Amino acid sequence: DVKVTQSSRYLVKRTGEKVFLECVQDMDHENMFWYRQDPGLGLRLIYFSYDVKMKEKGDIPEGYSVSREKKERFSLILESASTNQTSMYLCASRPDQGAEAFFGQGTRLTVV
Amino acid sequence: GQNIDQPTEMTATEGAIVQINCTYQTSGFNGLFWYQQHAGEAPTFLSYNVLDGLEEKGRFSSFLSRSKGYSYLLLKELQMKDSASYLCALLDSNYQLIWGAGTKLIIKP
Repeated sequence: DVKVTQSSRYLVKRTGEKVFLECVQDMDHENMFWYRQDPGLGLRLIYFSYDVKMKEKGDIPEGYSVSREKKERFSLILESASTNQTSMYLCASRPDQGAEAFFGQGTRLTVV
Repeated sequence: GQNIDQPTEMTATEGAIVQINCTYQTSGFNGLFWYQQHAGEAPTFLSYNVLDGLEEKGRFSSFLSRSKGYSYLLLKELQMKDSASYLCALLDSNYQLIWGAGTKLIIKP
């Protein structure tokens, strides 16, 4: 079974803190994604990566950055957390462009 | 541009059948996915349609009409565990997934 693991289920951070969300997949997938999910909205793409050290902006990259130093790991960084970044964050991976996405269990981040 | 619409919430009775619709507008199309998401959990894959017609997988079926920009997910013999959100996602010309807001399905005994 494909496994996508996110480092935390729940996080509470203070405004202005730098926050790291880690995601690891164990199936050698090239493609990895970070989404946020808010009530009444679909999954919104923050950043994605098709290869090691490669990153592309999604639809809502402002306030975020990413790092992909190894194929299996894709990290999302909130440079200076703000209350409007309170959300559910979902990491996903896909083996190729047409295939289904496999999701991590999600990280519910609250910024106070 | 691209747009996906699905109902916000639906209610059905245990043992019954429910159809969840998804309509979309896009300039490029490489398929349509359905995912199930239980509250507080990750989405899990249900189905993928790229050609017109019905794909059946046990109690769940998914239909696609590319000319009408329309898909539906059909759930038969509903069980309480089917209470979840159902997400429709379009695979666009760049192979990016464009997500609908999801339909929350409530199953009543």
